[in-house]
Amino acid sequence: GNSVTQMEGPVTLSEEAFLTINCTYTATGYPSLFWYVQYPGEGLQLLLKATKADDKGSNKGFEATYRKETTSFHLEKGSVQVSDSAVYFCALFPSGGSYIPTFGRGTSLIVHP
Amino acid sequence: NAGVTQTPKFQVLKTGQSMTLQCAQDMNHNSMYWYRQDPGMGLRLIYYSASEGTTDKGEVPNGYNVSRLNKREFSLRLESAAPSQTSVYFCASSEAGKKLFFGSGTQLSVL
Repeated sequence: GNSVTQMEGPVTLSEEAFLTINCTYTATGYPSLFWYVQYPGEGLQLLLKATKADDKGSNKGFEATYRKETTSFHLEKGSVQVSDSAVYFCALFPSGGSYIPTFGRGTSLIVHP
Repeated sequence: NAGVTQTPKFQVLKTGQSMTLQCAQDMNHNSMYWYRQDPGMGLRLIYYSASEGTTDKGEVPNGYNVSRLNKREFSLRLESAAPSQTSVYFCASSEAGKKLFFGSGTQLSVL
């Protein structure tokens, strides 16, 4: 079956540090890949997505590149802010018309001033 | 644009009580989902509805029932609540597997 593996958290950084959250996946074909963010007390919001190999999704200074050869979709940001503190989920929607997405377990990010 | 609306936001139940969580979306999406979120467990799919008139079990369906009332609404019912069902519940919708839109969640405590 499909699976998504994220690095375990929490990830603790100082403001303006570089962020990487690793995500790898297992799926057949060409799934669509997503990063969602969950701020405290809220639901998940789509942060960025990529639908085919070598696509780069970007939003709010975050980026992730769909790497088919390494089955990865790592999230990066050059300079984090305190307001980026949240839980980040990597997810995939399989190809072939399936309606069931697969989520990673989430990575908590804590940014200190 | 409301997106996905869930009610209630908070609920406290006693063991054995029943309740229904309501969810509605205004984006004309075909697919709707119910998840639960527990510490260290990530999101787990309870039930989903690929389209109006269909529902299917997800990863953790025991103790729950669902109704896809129409294209907009997808409710989740706990017939006899148990402490193990204490969780945060999220409803979501999507169109053709493109991306999920989530509601703001229901925090449920079963005493």
